[in-house]
Formats: sequence, structure tokens, C-alpha cells
Amino acid sequence: DAKTTQPTSMDCAEGRAANLPCNHSTISGNEYVYWYRQIHSQGPQYIIHGLKNNETNEMASLIITEDRKSSTLILPHATLRDTAVYYCIVRVGSSSNTGKLIFGQGTTLQVKP
Amino acid sequence: DAGVIQSPRHEVTEMGQEVTLRCKPISGHDYLFWYRQTMMRGLELLIYFNNNVPIDDSGMPEDRFSAKMPNASFSTLKIQPSEPRDSAVYFCASSFYRARSYNEQFFGPGTRLTVL
Repeated sequence: DAKTTQPTSMDCAEGRAANLPCNHSTISGNEYVYWYRQIHSQGPQYIIHGLKNNETNEMASLIITEDRKSSTLILPHATLRDTAVYYCIVRVGSSSNTGKLIFGQGTTLQVKP
Repeated sequence: DAGVIQSPRHEVTEMGQEVTLRCKPISGHDYLFWYRQTMMRGLELLIYFNNNVPIDDSGMPEDRFSAKMPNASFSTLKIQPSEPRDSAVYFCASSFYRARSYNEQFFGPGTRLTVL
């Protein structure tokens, strides 16, 4: 699976959009981008995933560049409860390896009042 | 559904003792995962099961660690004998295979293990 690079930490003002970047320049054509987050002392939580098209759900939006070498997770109106570590994961959508997620160090997002 | 259930939530034991961590996945899920999280190494996948069968145990650190899934609603992770370096938070997660691209894993609250 492709390696990802994320900033170690970011700050965001409450109520503003939080834009979390992820670089995955070695991504292959059949690899998906997943985002999870981990709030302090809890287990990780799935946010969103995508292949090449932009995706949106009730939690966030995922913007993937046309060359798929990078992506941005957008939390449109960050709240204090969004303070967490955000993980960008790239993995193959293969039935032979359906389960395996490799978590990196992630980005610590601090939402400030 | 109550979500993934793990027990105990906290475990303190002495070096050399056997430790058993337990997990009940979400009903209907066919994948179960065991992870370990430490400050130094982050979140590591130890082993995962599909339909109660171990698929990939390459993350299990050594023979002191073993995992079983006797049925679809229960799994254990055992450490025997335990060592101080095993101190970590152990997470269990489960998922339901819907499509090869879809990998939403549901994590439990974790077990914080301290080995003295």
C-alpha cells in the first residue's frame, strides 16, 4: 500500500472550515484513500473514503486531486469536539486484502474557541 | 446495537502473568481485528479474522501473543507471559464486508494494559 505524508499538527478556529492535507504521491490506480480520526482515549472512527471523485457525507468532504497524488479532508464547520488525530490511509481495494489498514502518525487537529 | 464490546477496560498485572483480553464484535460483522497502540509505535494491526478464521497474523509481535475466535461473537487476545513492554492500549474492531472498496471498521473502547 502507498505511503502517506501528513502534517504533524494543525490548529483551526471553532466554526471555521478545517482543511487537512494528505500527500500520497506513490498511489496506484486501484488504491483508495481512507480517513479515520481518533478522539482522545477512544478508538478510531471512520470518516470517509474515495477513489478519484470528490466525496461528501454527513461528517466531511474529501477532495482528491486529478492526479490523485494528494487529497484534503474538509470539516466544514469545526467544533471543539472535532479535536482529534486524523489519519489518512491509502490501501488497495482488493478482496484478498480487504481487512488491512495501516495507520501512520496522523495529524493532530486542535480546534480552538 | 451496543457496538464493539471489550473487557476489561483496564488491566494491571505483574510481569510473567498471563493476560487475556476479550472482544465481542458487532452482531453480523464478519471481520474482527486486534490492534495495539503505544506512544512510540502508534496504532499497529496485530491480527485479523474473517468468518472466525485468522487471515493475517504478521503483526503479532512474538510467540507470547496468541488470538482466537471460537465463534462469531467472541474473540480473545492472550499474552503469556506478559512483559512491561506489552503495556499499551489494545483495540478490537469489527467490520462487515460490503464491497472491496469499503473498509469501515468499528472500534471498541480499548483495554488499557499495564504490566509492572
